[in-house]
Amino acid sequence: DQQVKQNSPSLSVQEGRISILNCDYTNSMFDYFLWYKKYPAEGPTFLISISSIKDKNEDGRFTVFLNKSAKHLSLHIVPSQPGDSAVYFCAATYSGYSTLTFGKGTMLLVSP
Amino acid sequence: DTAVSQTPKYLVTQMGNDKSIKCEQNLGHDTMYWYKQDSKKFLKIMFSYNNKELIINETVPNRFSPKSPDKAHLNLHINSLELGDSAVYFCASSGLDGTPNTEAFFGQGTRLTVV
Repeated sequence: DQQVKQNSPSLSVQEGRISILNCDYTNSMFDYFLWYKKYPAEGPTFLISISSIKDKNEDGRFTVFLNKSAKHLSLHIVPSQPGDSAVYFCAATYSGYSTLTFGKGTMLLVSP
Repeated sequence: DTAVSQTPKYLVTQMGNDKSIKCEQNLGHDTMYWYKQDSKKFLKIMFSYNNKELIINETVPNRFSPKSPDKAHLNLHINSLELGDSAVYFCASSGLDGTPNTEAFFGQGTRLTVV
């Protein structure tokens, strides 16, 4: 029973363009969402998060959008750079509960 | 000065053996975790410890036993290893000053291969 779904296993984008990674969730109790980036043979590293009281959070080239009614969030990277090539995991949790429920990940490839 | 470090990075062992994976964090976090990434790439929580006490134990065979000697360390011991235990195991930590912080920091992972 996947509570967090990333339906696109991979995404290819050209350098300089926008990358949009999508994530859907089913558990209505989730109220905090995170994106992690993972390079091969390394652990996931935190990228950006958003609380359910917001619908947008921006950090440099990275913006996360949350649509609570649709139970959908997305990560926008603009402009995309080759160094952004990695697997991106969407994760969710809820107040009073610190462990994360992860999606399966989307592999992003940014070509020069 | 790695924040969350786990050893070994790679572990190849035979079925039936007992092995341990060690994890240490120097972030002063209160909570530590073990996650498992299986062949289907899902990252799933196995255990969560807060100040050396077990707070979450997901559906994991009792061959897996976490041990936390202090809040900076969380080791994972696995008895009678099976082929299906082959996976990448990630240690993580979160939380400062007793305040839950859901931004977890992960170790580099231990790739366990059971042959």
